[in-house]
Amino acid sequence: DAGVTQSPTHLIKTRGQHVTLRCSPISGHKSVSWYQQVLGQGPQFIFQYYEKEERGRGNFPDRFSARQFPNYSSELNVNALLLGDSALYLCASSLSPLLAGGEVSKNIQYFGAGTRLSVL
Amino acid sequence: ELKVEQNPLFLSMQEGKNYTIYCNYSTTSDRLYWYRQDPGKSLESLFVLLSNGAVKQEGRLMASLDTKARLSTLHITAAVHDLSATYFCAALYSGGGADGLTFGKGTHLIIQP
Repeated sequence: DAGVTQSPTHLIKTRGQHVTLRCSPISGHKSVSWYQQVLGQGPQFIFQYYEKEERGRGNFPDRFSARQFPNYSSELNVNALLLGDSALYLCASSLSPLLAGGEVSKNIQYFGAGTRLSVL
Repeated sequence: ELKVEQNPLFLSMQEGKNYTIYCNYSTTSDRLYWYRQDPGKSLESLFVLLSNGAVKQEGRLMASLDTKARLSTLHITAAVHDLSATYFCAALYSGGGADGLTFGKGTHLIIQP
């Protein structure tokens, strides 16, 4: 079975531009989360979506937005790119949303290989 | 706000030796994860720890959780080169709501022959 797939794998943009990153979850998974991983740091939570609804948001500016489609795939959009947006963007999918008290087996997050974004 | 701290951040060790990576978190957490990341690759889930005193083992890796001390450890026994990677711990805030994981900065582990 295919794992979490992300596209593109690499992307180079200039400051001020807009970017769209895409994620296809594991078949049957209805929850998708996005994380930003700056070089040398741990991933930082951006969004979580479940059944096309936003279910959680991290501490990121409004330049970051996302959506989830009826087939559970997701897009992450970043407007007005800054140099500091250069990072590896990871998508993770799970059967159900990650939340405290939730059933562990259903919300283990499986990560994709990521999209490496470079902003020049 | 939940914060997660790992130490050490960098560890170079010889094959055959034992060592422990420490993960402290700042407030109550619903569960604690350990992930492995190889260079240029994504994150691979290793362990999920739920309750105080939980211990899980897989091969040469053993993870434990002390919720009272807000501490998790990842112990490496008789290290081999294949275990060279960056290891992250991550906690889920227990305050409610559908949220994301809070990760530590990672421990970059190099195991030399």
